[in-house]
Amino acid sequence: NAGVTQTPKFQVLKTGQSMTLQCAQDMNHEYMSWYRQDPGMGLRLIHYSVGAGITDQGEVPNGYNVSRSTTEDFPLRLLSAAPSQTSVYFCASSSLGDEQYFGPGTRLTVT
Amino acid sequence: ELKVEQNPLFLSMQEGKNYTIYCNYSTTSDRLYWYRQDPGKSLESLFVLLSNGAVKQEGRLMASLDTKARLSTLHITAAVHDLSATYFCAVGTGNQFYFGTGTSLTVIP
Repeated sequence: NAGVTQTPKFQVLKTGQSMTLQCAQDMNHEYMSWYRQDPGMGLRLIHYSVGAGITDQGEVPNGYNVSRSTTEDFPLRLLSAAPSQTSVYFCASSSLGDEQYFGPGTRLTVT
Repeated sequence: ELKVEQNPLFLSMQEGKNYTIYCNYSTTSDRLYWYRQDPGKSLESLFVLLSNGAVKQEGRLMASLDTKARLSTLHITAAVHDLSATYFCAVGTGNQFYFGTGTSLTVIP
């Protein structure tokens, strides 16, 4: 079991560029989610999904899109990167209501 | 919007001492989670508390939940250096999760 995997580990973008952060899990979990972690603010939920074809917004969804075409994959798209999106991004998965398993994170810098 | 407050934010304690981290939340929920994060690493699940009065223990850590007071505690007994990390509580409501800002714990020999 690889658990939750994320790519890339590090990324530098220029303002206005777009990119996709990849997330995959091999535990057959229904629930997948994306968080951003900023100093002094804990983790904030961006988007989540309770199954293939179903996504919903979290606390801070603006500037991000997601899709869930399979149970395993849950990519996060930055449409037009802004310096305010500089952060560490974590993907997580779980059975519904259960503890979440987190990926290793992607450190994103937008200049 | 649900608010989750942890205190203290920073905690420096000597090995062998006991201490408690507090997690207060603003609206009703019956799911409370504790996670640990080492510097530069991901989050690791410690405890899942699903009902009022739930108590769970693992090694030197014990977590409890009082849903009526909207309060969870993480008690550290006889701290050791290996417990140095940042500890987060998270509250689940529906399909959303709200995290506290974390407690950075440093255990000093």
